[in-house]
Amino acid sequence: DTAVSQTPKYLVTQMGNDKSIKCEQNLGHDTMYWYKQDSKKFLKIMFSYNNKELIINETVPNRFSPKSPDKAHLNLHINSLELGDSAVYFCASSQGADATNEKLFFGSGTQLSVL
Amino acid sequence: DAKTTQPPSMDCAEGRAANLPCNHSTISGNEYVYWYRQIHSQGPQYIIHGLKNNETNEMASLIITEDRKSSTLILPHATLRDTAVYYCIVPFNDYKLSFGAGTTVTVRA
Repeated sequence: DTAVSQTPKYLVTQMGNDKSIKCEQNLGHDTMYWYKQDSKKFLKIMFSYNNKELIINETVPNRFSPKSPDKAHLNLHINSLELGDSAVYFCASSQGADATNEKLFFGSGTQLSVL
Repeated sequence: DAKTTQPPSMDCAEGRAANLPCNHSTISGNEYVYWYRQIHSQGPQYIIHGLKNNETNEMASLIITEDRKSSTLILPHATLRDTAVYYCIVPFNDYKLSFGAGTTVTVRA
């Protein structure tokens, strides 16, 4: 019944590995997002997809590659993990594409620890 | 990048109203004010948003000044479960919702 669910909740891995985080929403929303929350607790948007099309791509290293197989899913694949990638990653969704006029619904986060 | 200013922290007694201020002096005419909160170890949760008029829902009330340069989120009867970081956000006109540092609200018994 969870509206926005992401897996795994915790991810511990070694530097240099490749990992993926999955996100699914059952709200029927058209837009999904990835946010990163760093150790200082600031939440920064990384990507946004609307109906499987990329609409926001912040200055994120190209080691991060989002993939949206359908509008209910947005996965985040990270290549060659670095220590600085350690953070909590949140998936979110909204009905429309304009986040300035939408409510966002967030998942519970994936805590990534790179050792 | 921040378009809002909030106090870093505040305490509130359980059962009392919590009034959370936010300054957004550079807000433009068609920009909404949003409030979200983040309880420890959870994702942010939408609370309320408004443009000009005061708004109320089951969670809170939002009071926006007439000049729209500031607003106050009111939690009418704070409970321990309201302890969280509260974010006041004025979205940029570029489809992004950016979160600042917020106000850490601690409700004490």
